Order: sequence, then C-alpha cells, then structure tokens
Amino acid sequence: AQTVTQSQPEMSVQEAETVTLSCTYDTSESNYYLFWYKQPPSRQMILVIRQEAYKQQNATENRFSVNFQKAAKSFSLKISDSQLGDTAMYFCAFILNFGNEKLTFGTGTRLTIIP
Amino acid sequence: EPEVTQTPSHQVTQMGQEVILRCVPISNHLYFYWYRQILGQKVEFLVSFYNNEISEKSEIFDDQFSVERPDGSNFTLKIRSTKLEDSAMYFCASGSAGSLHEQYFGPGTRLTVT
Repeated sequence: AQTVTQSQPEMSVQEAETVTLSCTYDTSESNYYLFWYKQPPSRQMILVIRQEAYKQQNATENRFSVNFQKAAKSFSLKISDSQLGDTAMYFCAFILNFGNEKLTFGTGTRLTIIP
Repeated sequence: EPEVTQTPSHQVTQMGQEVILRCVPISNHLYFYWYRQILGQKVEFLVSFYNNEISEKSEIFDDQFSVERPDGSNFTLKIRSTKLEDSAMYFCASGSAGSLHEQYFGPGTRLTVT
C-alpha cells in the first residue's frame, strides 16, 4: 500500500516571501505520479502541479515548483513570491500509473500568507 | 473550461435517512470517483467507477453506499441509511482515458447528518 506523509501541519510566511512545503511518500512501485492540490476555504480541491516519476526534471507552474527526489521519495512544493490568495490547505497526493487508480492523499499543510 | 459540478452544495439529513449526492463529470471523461473528507482530516478514497461498474472500493464503501451512472451524464452516490459519522464533504472527480493520472474535482457536497 502507498502512504503519503506531510509532516508540517501548519506554516505561515510573509507575503512575497518563498515557502517550501514538505511531502514524503512510500511505495514499492516505480511508475507513478505525484500531485499537489490546493484547498482554499471554499474547500474546492484545485490541482496545483503534477510530477511524473519517470521524469527527472522538476515540474514548474508559474510561481509553483517542486523538488522531486525519487530515491529519497520526497516531493516538496515551493511557492515563490507568495500571495494572499495562496492561503489554503495544501495536500500532497500519489497515484500509480496502472490505469483506473485512486489518489492517496497526505494529511495536509495549512499555509497562511501574512500581509 | 469544462468542470465537474456537484449538487447540492449542502445537504442536511436526519440519521437513518437516505441521501443521493449528484455529480456531473466532465463530458469526455470515462473514469469517475468519489472521495470524502471528514472535517479537519485528509481526503479519503471511496470508490472508482469505469465502464458502468465499480473498479475499486475502499473499506469505507460498505453496503450502505452505492454508485450509479443512470443516464450517461450524471454520476450519483447513494447512502442508504445515514449515520452521524457520514457527516463529511463528499467530492466527485473524473478523469479521461488520455490522462488517467489527472483527476478533476468538483466543488464538493457538504453532508450534515443530525
């Protein structure tokens, strides 16, 4: 079974600063995908960024980037130039690339951007 | 941009009553999911559905739960006899054949069982 661990329940950072959220996972498989989802107070789940495990290059989406360390099974999210709208819960998630697979989520990190 | 929709946004029901949560997945998607999130906890997988049948279900998805795709556009989750512990946010998600790994979530239905 796959597990996802987020060891930072809460974080806060000043607006415009950079923040990194940590995520580790455990699997015996080699073909999988990793995601970060954002859940603002509205509780909608919004896909922020994804990483294919077979790609060595770290994914980037505007101010969001990841540091994917496959050997260490680590997948951190960096948010640059943080904005007030980034305040949300952030969930790391894992899925096997074997077809109709389910997402396995971590427990989340509550990020607060301070004006 | 196409999106997953869910109705109602909030459902209040009495313990023991049946509820049906509705979802309209993205139109060309073939894979459908239900997840739930108890307040303050992580999102948990309930069930996946493909080709008009359940592909996988979690241990949470017991006999009181059922899913259906009645008309080719809607995807429903039925809870037959609700319990207090069923109070949660229920998310529907869908994915396409071309990118199975990406699941797009609806806005959720908040179910409150009293």
